[in-house]
Amino acid sequence: KQEVTQIPAALSVPEGENLVLNCSFTDSAIYNLQWFRQDPGKGLTSLLLIQSSQREQTSGRLNASLDKSSGRSTLYIAASQPGDSATYLCAAFTGNQFYFGTGTSLTVIP
Amino acid sequence: EAGVTQFPSHSVIEKGQTVTLRCDPISGHDNLYWYRRVMGKEIKFLLHFVKESKQDESGMPNNRFLAERTGGTYSTLKVQPAELEDSGVYFCASTIGTSGYNEQFFGPGTRLTVL
Repeated sequence: KQEVTQIPAALSVPEGENLVLNCSFTDSAIYNLQWFRQDPGKGLTSLLLIQSSQREQTSGRLNASLDKSSGRSTLYIAASQPGDSATYLCAAFTGNQFYFGTGTSLTVIP
Repeated sequence: EAGVTQFPSHSVIEKGQTVTLRCDPISGHDNLYWYRRVMGKEIKFLLHFVKESKQDESGMPNNRFLAERTGGTYSTLKVQPAELEDSGVYFCASTIGTSGYNEQFFGPGTRLTVL
């Protein structure tokens, strides 16, 4: 059974700092991996989708990488801003369902 | 284009009552998924529809949960009778096509509280 782990559970950084969020999964047989952002009381906003055949995806200040063989993905946020404060979730899609991590709660301090 | 919508946004019911949650996927999305997040735990899969057919309902916790998607458009998830442990946030997601390679779009969720 697929298990997804996110480290750290919480992270607090000063504005402007670059940061990395980590996601690991136990079963490398995935179709894709998706990173989401969740603001308090809100739904999930898709940030980046990496197909199993890809190594990375970029969108603005965000860059997500995928290493299937080692079961790892990272989300890199450049020049963090207070508006980036949220919970970040990664989810591995196995073909019929997503397996989610418990998320990393990010706080960017002005 | 409208995103995935869910109704209600919040529901507070007493143990033993019935609640029905609704999800309207993005128009044209054949695949519809239900997920749930209970307090302190990760979001977990409940079931997957392809059009009106249940493709996978392996995540449904027990027979108190009934999901339908008549006509292949919106879906409902009924909990009857509700128990305390059913409290959580219920998310719906949809994706286009039948491939596993497409982005899933999530709704805002329904927060269910069972007292």
